[in-house]
Amino acid sequence: SNVLTQPPSVSLAPGKTAAITCGGTTLGNKGVHWYQQRPGQAPVLVVYDDTNRPSGIPERFSGSISGNTATLTISRVEAGDEADYYCQVWDTSSDEWVFGGGTQLTVL
Amino acid sequence: QVHLVQSGPEAKKPGSSVKVSCKASGGNFDSDSVSWVRQAPGQGLEWMGRFIPFLDRPNYAQRFQVRVTFTADKSTNTAYMELRSLRSEDTAVYYCARGGLYFGLDIWGQGTRVTVSS
Repeated sequence: SNVLTQPPSVSLAPGKTAAITCGGTTLGNKGVHWYQQRPGQAPVLVVYDDTNRPSGIPERFSGSISGNTATLTISRVEAGDEADYYCQVWDTSSDEWVFGGGTQLTVL
Repeated sequence: QVHLVQSGPEAKKPGSSVKVSCKASGGNFDSDSVSWVRQAPGQGLEWMGRFIPFLDRPNYAQRFQVRVTFTADKSTNTAYMELRSLRSEDTAVYYCARGGLYFGLDIWGQGTRVTVSS
């Protein structure tokens, strides 16, 4: 089965650029989705299929993929971006959705 | 715009069952599937499986296959998740979410807190 590895936490000052990675074997041929989850709230889709942004999501959020690593980039980080971020792929070997362990973003 | 509205919090005893509902308001599930995702306190997201309403077919994650049942009532645009033989480790917030493989899970319910305790 596919295991997605994310850093447990990322901290940075407001206005900086956050890069949250998601690593997994054979990630390059799957569509990676990213979710933001603020404390006490349901997750929100912020990037789908590697690089696409749903309507209503600020342009500061972008996704990319290189080899077996996907990256969620948040430009000009704000206090309101403090949240847990999860990557997700469909594992074709098991026919299941798989989530990464999540990354807690802290804005200092 | 479709919204998913879930049933209220539940307090259950070990060994019992819980059934959570997820109603689509402002639309229906269309051709998308409805996934069920849970989150234990302080933990990450865990996919339990999905139900494909227009095929009337479930797809369970292997670790839940024995204890969970997904159903849907197309006449009321409501999906259901029933989890049996509850144990304390099942204490979590349970979410329903609509979506497909390409677009991801784009609409989520507000979550239903299930507490299992003797």
